[in-house]
Amino acid sequence: GDSVTQMEGPVTLSEEAFLTINCTYTATGYPSLFWYVQYPGEGLQLLLKATKADDKGSNKGFEATYRKETTSFHLEKGSVQVSDSAVYFCALSGFQGAQKLVFGQGTRLTINP
Amino acid sequence: DTGVSQDPRHKITKRGQNVTFRCDPISEHNRLYWYRQTLGQGPEFLTYFQNEAQLEKSRLLSDRFSAERPKGSFSTLEIQRTEQGDSAMYLCASSLSVGEKLFFGSGTQLSVL
Repeated sequence: GDSVTQMEGPVTLSEEAFLTINCTYTATGYPSLFWYVQYPGEGLQLLLKATKADDKGSNKGFEATYRKETTSFHLEKGSVQVSDSAVYFCALSGFQGAQKLVFGQGTRLTINP
Repeated sequence: DTGVSQDPRHKITKRGQNVTFRCDPISEHNRLYWYRQTLGQGPEFLTYFQNEAQLEKSRLLSDRFSAERPKGSFSTLEIQRTEQGDSAMYLCASSLSVGEKLFFGSGTQLSVL
């Protein structure tokens, strides 16, 4: 079945460092890909998405490109801030009609001032 | 837009007891989803509704689990004869329609002693 594998955490960086969180997927067909973020004490929020190969999703300085040839959707940010500390989840939706999401295990990110 | 509301935030119960959780989606959202998240893992899909119709159930949803969405508004998730393995965060999400963004609630944390 469909699955998502994320870079294991936790990840700790200093403010203004470059961030990469790796995500690869296995799916039949052409899934949509997502990054969700969970800030402490809050619900999951959609950070960005891409619906077809070579699409780039971006939001709040974060970017991820849908790479079909490597089945990857790595999350990047050029300069992280303390406020980016959260748990990040990569996810896919294999069936457009149901929009049932398959999540990775999550990566906890801590940014130190 | 008041967001997706879940009640209670925390529930502690003894093994063998029945529990019921409630989810109030964003007004006019037709689709409602239930997910379960265990510590250190990503959310796993349980079931979803289109209005009042339950359209898909995961194999994770054993016979002890039942979900309803009367009149296509709020939803309840009941677990009968709880087991320690049911301890998890139960998340609810809603979306306006097919292909639209999912909005998640903050979840109900269930602890089965």
